[in-house]
Amino acid sequence: RKEVEQDPGPFNVPEGATVAFNCTYSNSASQSFFWYRQDCRKEPKLLMSVYSSGNEDGRFTAQLNRASQYISLLIRDSKLSDSATYLCVVRRGANNLFFGTGTRLTVIP
Amino acid sequence: DTGVSQNPRHKITKRGQNVTFRCDPISEHNRLYWYRQTLGQGPEFLTYFQNEAQLEKSRLLSDRFSAERPKGSFSTLEIQRTEQGDSAMYLCASSLEGQGVLETQYFGPGTRLLVL
Repeated sequence: RKEVEQDPGPFNVPEGATVAFNCTYSNSASQSFFWYRQDCRKEPKLLMSVYSSGNEDGRFTAQLNRASQYISLLIRDSKLSDSATYLCVVRRGANNLFFGTGTRLTVIP
Repeated sequence: DTGVSQNPRHKITKRGQNVTFRCDPISEHNRLYWYRQTLGQGPEFLTYFQNEAQLEKSRLLSDRFSAERPKGSFSTLEIQRTEQGDSAMYLCASSLEGQGVLETQYFGPGTRLLVL
């Protein structure tokens, strides 16, 4: 079983829409959780860390459910510039990051 | 630019040749990581250095792969006798120890390898 599972999409949504991505992780010893964004042929960049109580950064809201081993990302009022692949990431052990395959989002004008 | 840098950005080689990639981390970061990413997949961990010590290696890192960080600053990743299956993006990341669960890895632009 993969360490981190995500729906690869693609998600095609109109500008202004709200879109949610989900992710599950298999190892309950996972300690830290992140969402990274990766544009085509570019490196992954940290979008936000995910805290146990949930957290918000502008139009982006992340939630963590440790009991269900489930992480989510909500994007409100989608912009064209939000088009990218969103990678769900967990950290376990020393410092290894385990990445999902990514969910591809295209925001359509 | 004070981010993570990698060289070369692209490398095309013939099967059986050796290649070496370089990573320069963010200057104050003492931790350095190598990942490999193939099309349609997320990055996969290869190896990790804390200062000059290589503390962890993935099973993905076959004996044809070797990584070094001799002075605890830049790192090199060498692939010997390249195979077509080595074609991938090789990503380097760095982080600063001591930030607990909020420690963030910052990625370089990657080296895209194509083995013909």
